[in-house]
Amino acid sequence: KAGVTQTPRYLIKTRGQQVTLSCSPISGHRSVSWYQQTPGQGLQFLFEYFSETQRNKGNFPGRFSGRQFSNSRSEMNVSTLELGDSALYLCASSLRSGRTGEQYFGPGTRLTVT
Amino acid sequence: AQSVTQLGSHVSVSEGALVLLRCNYSSSVPPYLFWYVQYPNQGLQLLLKYTTGATLVKGINGFEAEFKKSETSFHLTKPSAHMSDAAEYFCAVSGGTSYGKLTFGQGTILTVHP
Repeated sequence: KAGVTQTPRYLIKTRGQQVTLSCSPISGHRSVSWYQQTPGQGLQFLFEYFSETQRNKGNFPGRFSGRQFSNSRSEMNVSTLELGDSALYLCASSLRSGRTGEQYFGPGTRLTVT
Repeated sequence: AQSVTQLGSHVSVSEGALVLLRCNYSSSVPPYLFWYVQYPNQGLQLLLKYTTGATLVKGINGFEAEFKKSETSFHLTKPSAHMSDAAEYFCAVSGGTSYGKLTFGQGTILTVHP
């Protein structure tokens, strides 16, 4: 079974621009969570989607948004990019929502904001 | 609310020696606990998980962890380190009604010397 895929793998953007990252979960998984990983803050939860509904959101500004499609694929969008948004963005999928399901991670998208 | 503390940001061992990576958690509800490993420029790979039942959990690549409720700990061990174990390891907790959210520790970088 194919794992979680994320596109693109690397991205360079300029301050003020916006960016969209894509995540395709493992086949059959309906929950998708997003995380931001930086050297200073570590791994921080952004949001989780299940059956096209955002069920949980982390402590990030409204510039960070996401959505999930009927095929469970998910996208996250960051508008008005800031230098501090440079990070590895990880997507994880799970068979079900809630705390019991283990999450399987994709390789991440490395975003650099200049 | 949940939190995780990993004691020691860097651990160095010799090949063949015991690996011990420490993790303490805080949770207001019975926790579900996970260990993940991250190799350079890759996503996170699930090593093992504790949900309920047996407190000694075996994972992949010879790793195991023991859930100790009285000590709020979930330390990761491997009897004999291999060079390929060199990576960053993350302990994580999920719990309560926080759908799809894993709370991670700051990570421990494991170095294995020949």
